[in-house]
Amino acid sequence: ETGVTQTPRHLVMGMTNKKSLKCEQHLGHNAMYWYKQSAKKPLELMFVYSLEERVENNSVPSRFSPECPNSSHLFLHLHTLQPEDSALYLCASSQDLAGGGDTQYFGPGTRLTVL
Amino acid sequence: QKEVEQDPGPLSVPEGAIVSLNCTYSNSAFQYFMWYRQYSRKGPELLMYTYSSGNKEDGRFTAQVDKSSKYISLFIRDSQPSDSATYLCAMFSGGYNKLIFGAGTRLAVHP
Repeated sequence: ETGVTQTPRHLVMGMTNKKSLKCEQHLGHNAMYWYKQSAKKPLELMFVYSLEERVENNSVPSRFSPECPNSSHLFLHLHTLQPEDSALYLCASSQDLAGGGDTQYFGPGTRLTVL
Repeated sequence: QKEVEQDPGPLSVPEGAIVSLNCTYSNSAFQYFMWYRQYSRKGPELLMYTYSSGNKEDGRFTAQVDKSSKYISLFIRDSQPSDSATYLCAMFSGGYNKLIFGAGTRLAVHP
């Protein structure tokens, strides 16, 4: 596997379910990100981790809970979601946080549908 | 007012056309400007990256930044059907890596 991988690619869940999204980066990067992409809206940054420490929580509801057990893996735990949470969830990584122009590499995303 | 404005399109052009994609922004502190390309069912990939004002060329792609007008452009020459994708502009002011994205412009190049 190369780059940034995400599983599952598609997920349908009810509002009372609990599920998790997984992201793995094979690039040796130190920073990882979760974004939400809704139709015709800009990417919304949700969480940022640097060296497994959360450095940004962009006013995301508590029904989204991130976890970064090591610098290669990032999870997004989901519970009691709402239909408006249906979107494409993208994971990204970059070498570091600081400095200009650290390219972010994106995974293919998980298409989430909340019924 | 949104920090970054981008016309969502869709933009449909014939093969071989010159395509112009644009974004305007409101934050004069932005210094770094990027264009990402996103194919259907894929994540965004970095296409062009420019620091401050000026032009940058890479093959058929040219990125322009006009900081005085707070306006950035991506030109695609000799467009190909394989260029059909959504193009996202992104920018940030420096410091830690918080990118601000436009909503994306969907481009279709037909043979």
